[in-house]
Parts: sequence; structure tokens; C-alpha cells
Amino acid sequence: AAGVIQSPRHLIKEKRETATLKCYPIPRHDTVYWYQQGPGQDPQFLISFYEKMQSDKGSIPDRFSAQQFSDYHSELNMSSLELGDSALYFCASSFSDRRDTQYFGPGTRLTVL
Amino acid sequence: AQSVSQHNHHVILSEAASLELGCNYSYGGTVNLFWYVQYPGQHLQLLLKYFSGDPLVKGIKGFEAEFIKSKFSFNLRKPSVQWSDTAEYFCAVINPQGGKLIFGQGTELSVKP
Repeated sequence: AAGVIQSPRHLIKEKRETATLKCYPIPRHDTVYWYQQGPGQDPQFLISFYEKMQSDKGSIPDRFSAQQFSDYHSELNMSSLELGDSALYFCASSFSDRRDTQYFGPGTRLTVL
Repeated sequence: AQSVSQHNHHVILSEAASLELGCNYSYGGTVNLFWYVQYPGQHLQLLLKYFSGDPLVKGIKGFEAEFIKSKFSFNLRKPSVQWSDTAEYFCAVINPQGGKLIFGQGTELSVKP
């Protein structure tokens, strides 16, 4: 069965650079969630989208923005990167009426040097 | 606000030992509870979940968890662990409105062969 796809899987950036992470949900899933997992930390919710609209917002810095497109894929844009942004960024997807069943992607490991 | 607390940060067991990982949550309303596993270098996978009904929930790979409402607990158990169970285990609760998952700090399980 198709799973959540994230790209790239690994990304290395310098401080103050920008990064774009992409998430392709399971086919027909219309809701996408982004989580950030710092080294040795638990995953923290960043933001979620349903039908291209933001549905919930967590501890997402103002330097980050995200959107969902008509094909339901989502992109997380990160600007003015800081060392503390180094983390594993997970995307999850679900049906909007089954938000209790989220499927996670493999994550993008972002390293900021 | 909802929160999840996991008692043990690192547990070391020998193969065939029994496992119990503690999880307590704080939320006054109806709760949906989850246990996720993260194998080294991999993404989060759902072990089991509780929504309602029988408080003893069975999941994959021989894991089970018991929801005790009076104790606000949802402890994970396995009668006999294997080396392949070495992973990090996260307890989580879901915000029913937005669907965001709120994770505990995680418990790293190391099983010695």
C-alpha cells in the first residue's frame, strides 16, 4: 500500500539559508500534519491542513510557513534557518473524518550548520 | 491543556523479560490514546490505540495496553520482549478538535540478547 512520501530525506543547510520540505499524503487523504522532532525529543506538532486551509497551529516559528496544494501535498518552508532548527520533520496524513488515524512519513532530517 | 507523561526515559531489559512502560495523561474529556514505536532511524509506527470499549487493547507484535480511567493511565505491556523490540516508544493523546497528536517524552527500550 502507498505510504506517506517525504522529500528530501536528508537536507543540510547553512545558518540563515532557506529550506523547503515536501510531503505527499497517502492517496485520498485530505489532511496533512507536520511535526518536528529535535534530537532526543518527542515529536512536537507544528501545523495541519485540510482542504488547503490551515486547520490547526502549534509551536511553529514565524520563520516557517506551510501550505497545502490542490493535490493535497504540502510544503513546509523554513527561512532564516537557525542551528536549533536541526531536527527530524515528520509529515502525517489522514482522512478528515478519521483524524484519529494518522499515518506518518519517514521524515526529513534537516541539519543546519 | 492536554499533556502526556512517560515515567521511564530509558529501560534496559534482557530478552524474554516482561515489559511495562508507564504513561499518564491529563485531559478531562473523552480521550483517544495511542502508543507509537520508532525503530532506530525509522518513522513512527502505530502499535495500538484506545478509543472506547474494552480498556484492554491489543496491538501488533504482541503488545497490549490497559486504559485505567481512574488513574489517567495507559500503560504498555508485553509479556516477553525480543531484541527486535529495541526502539523508542511514545505514548500520545489526540486533540479531538484539530486532530493534533500530543506525545509524551518517549521511552527508549534497549533489549539485550
